[in-house]
Amino acid sequence: DSGVTQTPKHLITATGQRVTLRCSPRSGDLSVYWYQQSLDQGLQFLIQYYNGEERAKGNILERFSAQQFPDLHSELNLSSLELGDSALYFCASSVIATGELFFGEGSRLTVL
Amino acid sequence: GDSVTQMEGPVTLSEEAFLTINCTYTATGYPSLFWYVQYPGEGLQLLLKATKADDKGSNKGFEATYRKETTSFHLEKGSVQVSDSAVYFCALSPFTGGGNKLTFGTGTQLKVEL
Repeated sequence: DSGVTQTPKHLITATGQRVTLRCSPRSGDLSVYWYQQSLDQGLQFLIQYYNGEERAKGNILERFSAQQFPDLHSELNLSSLELGDSALYFCASSVIATGELFFGEGSRLTVL
Repeated sequence: GDSVTQMEGPVTLSEEAFLTINCTYTATGYPSLFWYVQYPGEGLQLLLKATKADDKGSNKGFEATYRKETTSFHLEKGSVQVSDSAVYFCALSPFTGGGNKLTFGTGTQLKVEL
């Protein structure tokens, strides 16, 4: 158990819909990262937050957005969903000093 | 930009065989290097890491040495077990000691058979 909690574990929705994925980092970790894992693209970095502020941005589509709340949990919002958005979305948190990321078990999104 | 290249999988081995999974990287400066493992249905777990040149990371019988001259961080294990079957990811973090996002390789699936 990494200490990072993601909900929901599985989500099935239709094209054009909007979903929200939630992540609670490990106790004491200020930094949260979102990654997308798909068969054709591998593990892609989406976005990082540190103590409520956006710190780094990767290959995140404009239809996707994220935020980190004062209690440090984070949400990833995916809108106008397309078939190609079907993937496993991972959240990770870190102790900045070591660089090691602790991953949740992921949220599997299926868009039909 | 930073990138990590891993050997293609799947790699299929018999139990007790020697394992090598190649990893090379491209980065400016002095990145930290990591191997993560993903067991079926689970998230990624840190397997080992090295933060500077010539460092050797080791854990659970796995080893990898940070070779700056060849920009490599190959994963090795002397005797694999069926329980080692998983997907292995090489990754780098651009700052010494980490502190930023990780760039991952595409992953190498390992299958160990009896």
